[in-house]
Amino acid sequence: DAKTTQPTSMDCAEGRAANLPCNHSTISGNEYVYWYRQIHSQGPQYIIHGLKNNETNEMASLIITEDRKSSTLILPHATLRDTAVYYCIAYLYNFNKFYFGSGTKLNVKP
Amino acid sequence: NAGVTQTPKFQVLKTGQSMTLQCAQDMNHNSMYWYRQDPGMGLRLIYYSASEGTTDKGEVPNGYNVSRLNKREFSLRLESAAPSQTSVYFCASSAVSGGSYEQYFGPGTRLTVT
Repeated sequence: DAKTTQPTSMDCAEGRAANLPCNHSTISGNEYVYWYRQIHSQGPQYIIHGLKNNETNEMASLIITEDRKSSTLILPHATLRDTAVYYCIAYLYNFNKFYFGSGTKLNVKP
Repeated sequence: NAGVTQTPKFQVLKTGQSMTLQCAQDMNHNSMYWYRQDPGMGLRLIYYSASEGTTDKGEVPNGYNVSRLNKREFSLRLESAAPSQTSVYFCASSAVSGGSYEQYFGPGTRLTVT
């Protein structure tokens, strides 16, 4: 499975868009990009996933570069409740294993 | 619809004691997983069960055993607990949907081994 690289932490002002980058330069053609977040010490929560195309749901947008070597998770209007650790995972679906890295700690500030 | 439930929520063990962590899901998912999370770290996969009747090792299986009791339940056993197993343990489940493996996580079991 491809490894992912994320910044250790980021700050964002409340109400602004939060853009969380992820590098996955060794990703293979059939690996999906998944994003999860973990608020405080709760179980991780699924946010969004994609393969090649950009994706959007009620929580966030996922932008994947054309060469698929990196992606960005966008929270359009960050709130204090979005303060969490965000994990970017490259997932090969037929191996049925998720590898979480250390993630990015997003601090949303008032 | 409770999702994924785990018992117990907290547990303190002495070195050498054994215990079983229980996990159940009511979403009719085929696959279930056990992870551990050490302080300040990401989650690491211990064991998983792709479907009822099958189990396989993850990244850190040493010191653990698992049982997929039926489609709903997946237990994790520590035969002889060690202080290095002090961690938060999360159970998760997933269904297959068009190649998508969205996982749903339980609330975790906080285990301390003294």
